[in-house]
Amino acid sequence: RKEVEQDPGPFNVPEGATVAFNCTYSNSASQSFFWYRQDCRKEPKLLMSVYSSGNEDGRFTAQLNRASQYISLLIRDSKLSDSATYLCVVTLNDYKLSFGAGTTVTVRA
Amino acid sequence: NAGVTQTPKFRILKIGQSMTLQCTQDMNHNYMYWYRQDPGMGLKLIYYSVGAGITDKGEVPNGYNVSRSTTEDFPLRLELAAPSQTSVYFCASTDGTGMTEAFFGQGTRLTVV
Repeated sequence: RKEVEQDPGPFNVPEGATVAFNCTYSNSASQSFFWYRQDCRKEPKLLMSVYSSGNEDGRFTAQLNRASQYISLLIRDSKLSDSATYLCVVTLNDYKLSFGAGTTVTVRA
Repeated sequence: NAGVTQTPKFRILKIGQSMTLQCTQDMNHNYMYWYRQDPGMGLKLIYYSVGAGITDKGEVPNGYNVSRSTTEDFPLRLELAAPSQTSVYFCASTDGTGMTEAFFGQGTRLTVV
């Protein structure tokens, strides 16, 4: 079983729509959780950290469910500029970063 | 503040050739990593380093070597290039706490023909 699994999509949504997707992780000892954004095979960049209580950053909401071992990302009022691949990243300890394969989101006009 | 700088951005190698991908960071991060990303796949860890003079293998180390003589630099060496090493390579660094973001270089697109 992969350490981090994501629905690859693609999620094809109209502007203004809400889109949500999950990421599951296999190791219950995982410590930290992040969503990164990657555009057109460029370098990944941090979108947001995911906290136990859930957190929002503008139109983006991240949730963590430790019992079921998944994290989620919800994007409200989608913009064309939100089109990207979203990578789920889980850290097991202080150095090991495990990446999901990414979820592709395409927002159409 | 340059962050993580990788060179070159693109390279075409012939089978059997060697090359070094350069990576340097100016954030005084102890932890540095090399990943490869194949089309439609996630990032796979090749090698990592937790400090100068210390390196260790990741998931896919075969065909690669690294060194870490300084905190700033973490070069990746391909000794005998093979078509299977055609990929996009990313260098990254973190402060090692596991709580803060990883910073990535812009990537190197390598094609082995």
